[in-house]
Amino acid sequence: TQLLEQSPQFLSIQEGENLTVYCNSSSVFSSLQWYRQEPGEGPVLLVTVVTGGEVKKLKRLTFQFGDARKDSSLHITAAQPGDTGLYLCAGGATGNQFYFGTGTSLTVIP
Amino acid sequence: DTGVSQNPRHKITKRGQNVTFRCDPISEHNRLYWYRQTLGQGPEFLTYFQNEAQLEKSRLLSDRFSAERPKGSFSTLEIQRTEQGDSAMYLCASRPGQGRVSEQFFGPGTRLTVL
Repeated sequence: TQLLEQSPQFLSIQEGENLTVYCNSSSVFSSLQWYRQEPGEGPVLLVTVVTGGEVKKLKRLTFQFGDARKDSSLHITAAQPGDTGLYLCAGGATGNQFYFGTGTSLTVIP
Repeated sequence: DTGVSQNPRHKITKRGQNVTFRCDPISEHNRLYWYRQTLGQGPEFLTYFQNEAQLEKSRLLSDRFSAERPKGSFSTLEIQRTEQGDSAMYLCASRPGQGRVSEQFFGPGTRLTVL
């Protein structure tokens, strides 16, 4: 059972376009993390958000945590081929477990 | 050492054989996690250690799976009598003990293929 649903599941866009990936849940999380994973490698942490309504920017990537701490979004501006990968959100609950989303596979075409 | 390491990176085995994977966490991290990931899906939690104590186990962890962290440093994950459905990427992550929202850092994973 996946507590976190991501949409879209697959996304293929042209270089230079903007995109948004969504991570939704009916559960409240104490923190939420975004990762990018390339084929055959482990996930690499991009950002952690902890406060409802928080917005963090990492160069062309903007992350937002929902006010109720149940959802999050990742917006990429002017996507580049190097952004290609599997984007995963993961929610931290009150215990020590992290619950991962279903993933969004992004392909940026040059 | 600047990251989590896992060995081997790839393992191909025949159904029914036993396999063991190793994870070396970041040295000052006392929390260690094992996950399983199938193609195109997010990682699924298997088990969690704090120091040498195994504190949480998922229902996914059948009795054919066992994990240890004998000295609170490296960890091993053993799968006995492997089945084709065990084919997956097995990921290890470590996390420092301080902080409610401390982040977990992943190793490169071990890709298991059961023939």
